Amino acid sequence: KAGVTQTPRYLIKTRGQQVTLSCSPISGHRSVSWYQQTPGQGLQFLFEYFSETQRNKGNFPGRFSGRQFSNSRSEMNVSTLELGDSALYLCASSLEGALTNYGYTFGSGTRLTVV
Amino acid sequence: SQKIEQNSEALNIQEGKTATLTCNYTNYSPAYLQWYRQDPGRGPVFLLLIRENEKEKRKERLKVTFDTTLKQSLFHITASQPADSATYLCAWGNNQGGKLIFGQGTELSVKP
Repeated sequence: KAGVTQTPRYLIKTRGQQVTLSCSPISGHRSVSWYQQTPGQGLQFLFEYFSETQRNKGNFPGRFSGRQFSNSRSEMNVSTLELGDSALYLCASSLEGALTNYGYTFGSGTRLTVV
Repeated sequence: SQKIEQNSEALNIQEGKTATLTCNYTNYSPAYLQWYRQDPGRGPVFLLLIRENEKEKRKERLKVTFDTTLKQSLFHITASQPADSATYLCAWGNNQGGKLIFGQGTELSVKP
């Protein structure tokens, strides 16, 4: 079956702009989580959506937001981009998002560069 | 604050040996720990999950242990191969939904 698809793979934006990233989870998976990965901070949890509702949120400013559609596809948005937002943004999907033996399936990520 | 630490940033071993990676946690009691492998430019790939009431889990050449007294998980790769070279991440979670806290990762290099 198809894996987690993230688009676009690469993105270059200017400070102050906004950006929208997309994630299509594995068919049947209802939980979608977003992570930011940087060399200095590693993988940091942004938020999780389950059945179109935000279920968990990490410690990121309000400029970071997301949503999930009825088909489980998810988008995350970053407004007023800062240089420090340059990172690999990863999306992960799972059946229930909690205690499963199958873990989370990650996409290959969107590499965002802010100049 | 809640913290998860992996013992070293890099580990170099000879092919055929057992690689042992360490993950320590402080200030919380995770319901489970997960281990992932990440290759450059790719997303993490799930390897194993171990729950707080389990001592050990195995999958092919992989073994993970969970010691709640020591607040530590050990991840072993036996008969290591150059193809096992990658960054290995541990992550803890609780029963409150899909939030994982990741360690910084250990970069494993297996030399032929």
